[in-house]
This record gives sequence, C-alpha cells and structure tokens, in this order.
Amino acid sequence: GDSVTQMEGPVTLSEEAFLTINCTYTATGYPSLFWYVQYPGEGLQLLLKATKADDKGSNKGFEATYRKETTSFHLEKGSVQVSDSAVYFCALSEGSNYQLIWGAGTKLIIKP
Amino acid sequence: DSGVTQTPKHLITATGQRVTLRCSPRSGDLSVYWYQQSLDQGLQFLIQYYNGEERAKGNILERFSAQQFPDLHSELNLSSLELGDSALYFCASSASSIPSSGNTIYFGEGSWLTVV
Repeated sequence: GDSVTQMEGPVTLSEEAFLTINCTYTATGYPSLFWYVQYPGEGLQLLLKATKADDKGSNKGFEATYRKETTSFHLEKGSVQVSDSAVYFCALSEGSNYQLIWGAGTKLIIKP
Repeated sequence: DSGVTQTPKHLITATGQRVTLRCSPRSGDLSVYWYQQSLDQGLQFLIQYYNGEERAKGNILERFSAQQFPDLHSELNLSSLELGDSALYFCASSASSIPSSGNTIYFGEGSWLTVV
C-alpha cells in the first residue's frame, strides 16, 4: 500500500542554518503531497502542498518540490529561525476517500 | 486559524467513563475526519464522514463511535475509557471527499484527553 517515509529526528540545527528534511513516498497512482507542521502545544497546520509532478510548494520560506522520478518531496529552508522549532509531517493523499497517509514526523530543534 | 473548531480543548476523566468530543468544520466543508495522535502510535486516522454519511474507517476501536449531524458538525464518542486512550484527538475538514487539486484538509487545534 501507499506509504510515506521521513528522516528520523530530532534534527538539531543552529539559527540561520540550511534545513533539509527528507521525505520519500510509495504510491500506486499520482498522489498529492503535503507538509504539515505542529508547533509545541498546538494542532497541525498545513505548511505547503504540491499536487502534480515538478510542482513546487512554498510558504513561510519553506519549499518542497514534487519529484516523481525519485518519489520524493523534501522540505527545505535556506535560513531557519528558533521559531521554526516544531514537528514536521510529510503526507500524501490518494484514492477516492481522500485519506491522508502520514509519515512518522520529524522533530526540528533550532538553537540560538 | 484553520476555521475548524474543536471542543473541549482539554479533558481529564477517569477510566471506564465516556466522553464526547465536538467538531465544527470550516464553513462550507462537507467532509469531517477524526485523527488520534499518541506518543506511541503517532498520528492515526480514525474515521471520515461526508455530508452526514460515514465514508471511510481507519483504526477506530469498537468503543469509539462518531457521527456527523445535518448542520455538518461532528461528534466523536469515546466510551469505557482506558489509560491508553489518552491522546490528542484532531478533527479536520475538507470541501470534498474526492481528491482534487483544490481539496486540502484543514485541522483543528485538537482536544487533549487525559484518562486517569
């Protein structure tokens, strides 16, 4: 079945460092891909999405490109801030019932 | 603010009890989803309703049930509660149950349930 694999955390970086959180997927069709973020003590928020191959989703300085050839949707940011500390979830949707298939989440810790 | 409203935000109850979690979807959204997030199991899909009817079922226990009312709000009922049911329960909504480029799922802030 469909699945999403994320790099294990926690990922610890210094402020202003470059961020990459890897996400790869397995799907039989053409899924939509998402990154959600969960800040401490809060709910899940949609960060960005891409619905077809080569689409680039972007928001708040974060970017991810839908790469069908490598079945990947890696999250990147050029210069992270302490306020980016959160858990990041990669997810895909496919099928007529629109269930989201989730990665395990990657905790990001940014140190000043 | 996602537009999805969940109540209560926090709830503490004893084992064996029953609780009801409530969710109001974003205005115009017909689909409602319930998810459970726990430390050991991660994020798990429980159930989906579309315009009042059950559309998909995930890892929902028999002790749990849900419904979506004519005004589209939804309730998740958890009964015979056990310590292991302590978790963050999310409600989410989307405009449609059919995947499309514009159909994104939006999450509420969750209801924290602690069973003691």
